[in-house]
Amino acid sequence: EAQVTQNPRYLITVTGKKLTVTCSQNMNHEYMSWYRQDPGLGLRQIYYSMNVEVTDKGDVPEGYKVSRKEKRNFPLILESPSPNQTSLYFCASSLGAGTVEQYFGPGTRLTVT
Amino acid sequence: GQQLNQSPQSMFIQEGEDVSMNCTSSSIFNTWLWYKQDPGEGPVLLIALYKAGELTSNGRLTAQFGITRKDSFLNISASIPSDVGIYFCAGSNTGNQFYFGTGTSLTVIP
Repeated sequence: EAQVTQNPRYLITVTGKKLTVTCSQNMNHEYMSWYRQDPGLGLRQIYYSMNVEVTDKGDVPEGYKVSRKEKRNFPLILESPSPNQTSLYFCASSLGAGTVEQYFGPGTRLTVT
Repeated sequence: GQQLNQSPQSMFIQEGEDVSMNCTSSSIFNTWLWYKQDPGEGPVLLIALYKAGELTSNGRLTAQFGITRKDSFLNISASIPSDVGIYFCAGSNTGNQFYFGTGTSLTVIP
């Protein structure tokens, strides 16, 4: 089944403790992206990647890192999480640049205390 | 970042009624998209619009790309219970960066 998977689905952590949220897609998509969803603000793009080893900042990249060493994986790294990064995170992928149909993962709910 | 405002924020309607919602931006876009998010899931693309003035349908859904390129509209006809969810608009100019609206929450009362 074609899908985008994220792990973990739920995470509660403390301020300053480094964490990684994994994202993997099995559709051989070139483009992948991370979003955060907050009440009243919709989804905001954090980072995106057009292909392996190519990443770019989205609208709200501060406090996040990403890497794209393999086509199928696009992990989101929070080196020193803070409470304002408590949010619902979505990973998405699409065939490639200019292909607007993105397939979203199920989401990761992160709470930073 | 660019702001996309959706209205209304929420709607409560009777099954069978038609629904209209819109999205406005402070900037122009080359592409407008409409997504639906079911509870506990990620958004799913409903309709993509590529040209100012374009009117596109997907079943009971119809969306329009505004002439000014700063707005878009979504209509749902004859609503049914499974239409419940949050509807998001999104705009893009590059196909890489996407800006989402604040969302319209739809509740359909059977």
